Amino acid sequence: QVQLQESGPGLVKPSQTLSLTCTVSGGSITSGTYYWTWIRQPAGKGLEWIGRIYTSGTTKYSPYFKSRVTISIDTSKSQFSLKLSSVTAADTAVYHCARSSGWDRPFDYWGQGSLVTVSS
Amino acid sequence: NFMLTQPHSVSESPGKTVSISCTRSSGNIANNYVQWYQRRPGSAPTTVIYEDNRRPSGVPDRFSGSIDSSSNSASLTISGLKTEDEADYFCQSYDPSNHVVFGGGTKLTVL
Repeated sequence: QVQLQESGPGLVKPSQTLSLTCTVSGGSITSGTYYWTWIRQPAGKGLEWIGRIYTSGTTKYSPYFKSRVTISIDTSKSQFSLKLSSVTAADTAVYHCARSSGWDRPFDYWGQGSLVTVSS
Repeated sequence: NFMLTQPHSVSESPGKTVSISCTRSSGNIANNYVQWYQRRPGSAPTTVIYEDNRRPSGVPDRFSGSIDSSSNSASLTISGLKTEDEADYFCQSYDPSNHVVFGGGTKLTVL
């Protein structure tokens, strides 16, 4: 059974960079045509797609985050990561990593989510 | 880009049928597949409908999806409501640049 687990600091100061890692277990991060995605949900709001990375390293980002976001992949560690720069309180949210078997396929596996609070 | 608009909340009694709409603000709803996710409190989302109207294995046939080009919307219908269906439901599609777009979510209360 594939499992995804987010990890990273739960508290980030304003203007700093939020960094999260998603560790994939129970299956290879490089097998198949999988896309690895970051999604967040601010409290009381809906889901927001941040961006995705293919196993080749090709990325696509939401225009809303494009100037601040970097998603990378480390196949040797079976991990992919999110960096979001210049954070503000509006970036406080539960951040999920997820997998899909194509860019237009549903997300079939999700991490439980990691709450990141932006506060001084 | 476009938006997907969902009602903030719906409620219905056990055993009844409820439909949740997801209206696309521009562009044809039929141009890109719509998925539906269920999110129970404290749990990660799970897919209940994909490719407009297909059910993943393990999802009961009480869940169905459809699209209506006349209203440019997708709908998730849940029949024979159970208390365990109480959750947040999100629709999701794609824009012409292959970005993912989510609806704002609908809180379903089964009372």
